[in-house]
Amino acid sequence: QLQLQESGPGLVKPSETLSLTCTVSGGSIKSSSYYWGWIRQPPGKGLEWIGSIYYSGRTDYNPSLKSRVTISVDTSKNQFSLKMSSVTAADTAVYYCARQLNGYGTSGYYYFDIWGQGTMGTVSS
Amino acid sequence: DIVMTQSPDSLAVSLGERATINCKSSQSVLYRSNNKNYLAWYQQKPGQPPRLLIYWASTRESGVPDRFSGSGSGTDFTLTISSLQAEDVAVYYCQQYYSSPLTFGGGTKVEIK
Repeated sequence: QLQLQESGPGLVKPSETLSLTCTVSGGSIKSSSYYWGWIRQPPGKGLEWIGSIYYSGRTDYNPSLKSRVTISVDTSKNQFSLKMSSVTAADTAVYYCARQLNGYGTSGYYYFDIWGQGTMGTVSS
Repeated sequence: DIVMTQSPDSLAVSLGERATINCKSSQSVLYRSNNKNYLAWYQQKPGQPPRLLIYWASTRESGVPDRFSGSGSGTDFTLTISSLQAEDVAVYYCQQYYSSPLTFGGGTKVEIK
């Protein structure tokens, strides 16, 4: 049973960089069938897609966050990571990692079928 | 960007009654080459991550009860819970995966009347 688990510092100061890691267990991140994504949810609000990565390192980002976000993959550790720079209080959210099916079409990938439990990222001085 | 608009924001339904949630996209998410609607529905209970319920607008994910159904095409979609159970209290989101950036609806909160 594939599982995803987010980890990283829960508290970051304004203007600093938020760094999170998603560890994949029960399966390989080096599958041609999947992309791996990050989604966030501010407290009491809806879901926002941050970006996705393929095991080869190909990435796609939400343009609204692209200038501040880097997603990378470490296939040797079966992990992928999110770095978000210059954070403000508006970046306070639960951050989820999730698996996406690789697909056919305009976007190149599909829905999120397996999610991690999420980790709270708080931006505060 | 494709904007996803859900309605209503919340609804209260009696146990055993039908719940209907609507989702409208600002442009069609029907991919003509394979005649598939690139639309998914998720359920999120408090303190939990979203759970995939429906993909391709109407295909139920494995393990999802058959009281959940999805319908619609192009720009207008519906999630129906045919007979509401207590465990269905949650927020429901639609999501398009037709084009990047992937976008979600604002959510619909379902409660028991």
